[in-house]
Amino acid sequence: GAVVSQHPSRVICKSGTSVKIECRSLDFQATTMFWYRQFPKQSLMLMATSNEGSKATYEQGVEKDKFLINHASLTLSTLTVTSAHPEDSSFYICSARRQPNQETQYFGPGTRLLVL
Amino acid sequence: DAKTTQPNSMESNEEEPVHLPCNHSTISGTDYIHWYRQLPSQGPEYVIHGLTSNVNNRMASLAIAEDRKSSTLILHRATLRDAAVYYCILRDFGSGYALNFGKGTSLLVTP
Repeated sequence: GAVVSQHPSRVICKSGTSVKIECRSLDFQATTMFWYRQFPKQSLMLMATSNEGSKATYEQGVEKDKFLINHASLTLSTLTVTSAHPEDSSFYICSARRQPNQETQYFGPGTRLLVL
Repeated sequence: DAKTTQPNSMESNEEEPVHLPCNHSTISGTDYIHWYRQLPSQGPEYVIHGLTSNVNNRMASLAIAEDRKSSTLILHRATLRDAAVYYCILRDFGSGYALNFGKGTSLLVTP
């Protein structure tokens, strides 16, 4: 099956700093990638849709200036949490689709962020 | 996307079949039925999807009711590694939108 990787797998940072999370599709090109956030004991919540070569589309309530998304190539999307605060501590997960209309999504293993 | 309803939790014995139900009474004609599962501390994993006909793959089977208002994910022989949260999700074909996860069913498999 297709593989999506994330780096780092976990990160601890101080409040006020920025953290970049990478999402890579290892064996296919992904024109669209998605970023989710999951708090403990809760389900995944979609944050934004990342399209290669264009601006990301953010879900309502997600601050685009705080969660910067860049999808500069067909195999890499990055999520930067700027000026992180303890309430940003969460499990961040990306997913990718091989082609725009393919039904199956491939998820990364997730990145656990802890902001102190 | 139309809403789905799943039991919060289910329990099964190892090596027994498991039937995970999902109700989706407001499903539209172009909604695909997807199942994903999430093992602890991991990203979700695709299990199976279908539109109208029952589907089988190496992981599971998907039984879709004739009126499509419900479906059942069938794990033929549960193993301890199948303990996960199982999500039933409807997605309009070709809409290009992401998956909207509900609360899912937490499956406990006991030896």
